Parts: sequence; C-alpha cells; structure tokens
Amino acid sequence: SYDLTQPPSVSVSPGQTANITCSGDKLGDEYVCWYQQRPGQSPILFIFQDNKRASGVPERFSGSNSGNTATLTISGTQTMDEADYYCQARVSRTGVLFGGGTKLTVL
Amino acid sequence: EVQLVESGGSVVRPGGSLKLSCAASGFIFDDYDMSWVRQAPGKGLEWVSGSNWNGAKTDYADSVKGRFTISRDNAKKSLFLQMDSLTVEDTAMYYCARDAAAGTDNWFDPWGQGTLVTVSS
Repeated sequence: SYDLTQPPSVSVSPGQTANITCSGDKLGDEYVCWYQQRPGQSPILFIFQDNKRASGVPERFSGSNSGNTATLTISGTQTMDEADYYCQARVSRTGVLFGGGTKLTVL
Repeated sequence: EVQLVESGGSVVRPGGSLKLSCAASGFIFDDYDMSWVRQAPGKGLEWVSGSNWNGAKTDYADSVKGRFTISRDNAKKSLFLQMDSLTVEDTAMYYCARDAAAGTDNWFDPWGQGTLVTVSS
C-alpha cells in the first residue's frame, strides 16, 4: 500500500527555518497540499498544488515537491506557528491520503 | 462567508448506526465535490468518503467500504454520512470538507468544526 510519511515531530527556535517533510514513492508526480491544525481546532488549508499559499496564509510559509519528498518550509518561524501539520495527496490507484502529521514545536 | 456545520454525532453501541449531516452555506453547493474526513482521538487525519457534485460518483476508504454511505441533497445544500455496523475503531471526530478537486488533484477547503462519534458499550 502507498503511504505518506512525515516525521512525528520537528523543533525549531523562533526566527529560524523549519522544514517539515512528507515522503512517498514518486510523490513528485502528484500534487501535495498541507494543512495546519491547532489543538482543539479544525484543519486549515495552508498550501495546495505543491506551492500555492491559501488565502490569508503568511508569506513565510512555502511548499515544494520533487522526487519522493514534499517539503513545507516555514521561514522566520513564530511561536504562533506551533501546531500539527499534515500533508495530503490524491495518489493514482490509491485515492486520497494524509500523512501521519508532524507536531511543530517552537522553543 | 463559506461555512460547513456538521451535526448528528453521539454515543452509539458497537453494531449500531448513526447518520451525520453537514449543512453548507456561503457558496454554490452543487459546484463542488464534498468529503468526510475523520480523526480518532489523539491520532491523524483519515479520509473516509467523497461524493462528486451530484452524488452520482462516490468513493470510500477501505476501512468503511460496505458500512458507510455518503449522500447529498443539493436542494437543501446538505451532505450526509450514513454509518452502519459501527465498531470502536470508528470513534472519531468527523469533519465535513469542501473538495476543491481539479482534475486528478484535490484539496479540502474549508472544513467544518466537526461532530464527535463515540462507539462504546
């Protein structure tokens, strides 16, 4: 079966760059999107079609996708960015998949 | 304002049934595919089921196939999920989400606030 693999956790200091990866076989052949979910809240779309920011998403958030890995990059990370992040793709012959999620800690 | 409001979640015994509803507003409902996504307590997101704009094409995760049925009423701008033969593994927050499908690509935006389904004896 096809899986999207994310690291369970990523830590970053305020003002630094955070990279959250999402890996899958030939993932670069598919479009990937990213969601942010704060505790007790619904997920919010942040990035779609690999690198397009959703409405209202700060410019410090960017996305890329190539080979087997998609990456969500947060430049100049702020404490308000602390949340869970999920990648998602619609993979041919498999359907809609989510990664397991990454807990971003800013400290 | 685009809004999705889920309802119908409750506590149900294993083997029981439940029907979830999602009321949409602020957009042309029958212009969009729609999906249900769930999240078990402390776990990640799992896509459950999707419907195309008119309900003629539906799809399900293997974990719910044959037990859950998605449907929609475009006149009432509503999406439904009939859940039968529930098991404890179906315990989760269930989110309704607008599916901005574009060819073979898709993303979910926005999401509702969720409705909690607890399967317990």
